[in-house]
Amino acid sequence: GAVVSQHPSWVICKSGTSVKIECRSLDFQATTMFWYRQFPKQSLMLMATSNEGSKATYEQGVEKDKFLINHASLTLSTLTVTSAHPEDSSFYICSAADAIQGYYEQYFGPGTRLTVT
Amino acid sequence: GEDVEQSLFLSVREGDSSVINCTYTDSSSTYLYWYKQEPGAGLQLLTYIFSNMDMKQDQRLTVLLNKKDKHLSLRIADTQTGDSAIYFCAESIRGGGADGLTFGKGTHLIIQP
Repeated sequence: GAVVSQHPSWVICKSGTSVKIECRSLDFQATTMFWYRQFPKQSLMLMATSNEGSKATYEQGVEKDKFLINHASLTLSTLTVTSAHPEDSSFYICSAADAIQGYYEQYFGPGTRLTVT
Repeated sequence: GEDVEQSLFLSVREGDSSVINCTYTDSSSTYLYWYKQEPGAGLQLLTYIFSNMDMKQDQRLTVLLNKKDKHLSLRIADTQTGDSAIYFCAESIRGGGADGLTFGKGTHLIIQP
């Protein structure tokens, strides 16, 4: 099956610094990638949708200047949390979809645990 | 906005059937999904059902959809210890290839020996 990786799997950073999280589709071309955020005992909340070569579409309430998304190639999307604060601590999960292969499934990465001190 | 609800915990004995329930509010939902999340692993799609279907069976898994009541259930027959995980219900209007999914909070399935 399709494999999506994320790097790093966990990261600790100081308040005010920026952190970049990578999401890669390893064996397929991802026409669309999604970024989710998951708090403990909460559901995954969609943050943004990105299509390769286009600007990301952010969900209501998600600050686009704080969460920078780049989808420069069909196998890589990055999420940069700028000027991170403790309230940004969360589990960030990406997923990828190949519109050519199928329109119903997203393949999820294992997630990145971000802790801001 | 859209909302997907499911109970947080379910405990069953090994060998029994597990039934995980989910309700959703968006009548436009076209695709309904069940995902499994194990520690350290990404969400794994178990099965999905189109809104024009009532039931879908795949080996030990049976999905029932009551569109009128906006109720979805996942039955796992002969539950095994390897089924211990968090199960997420999710919905989409255009399909996961085009839309982000709306998830429930997940049901933690606990297997008793």
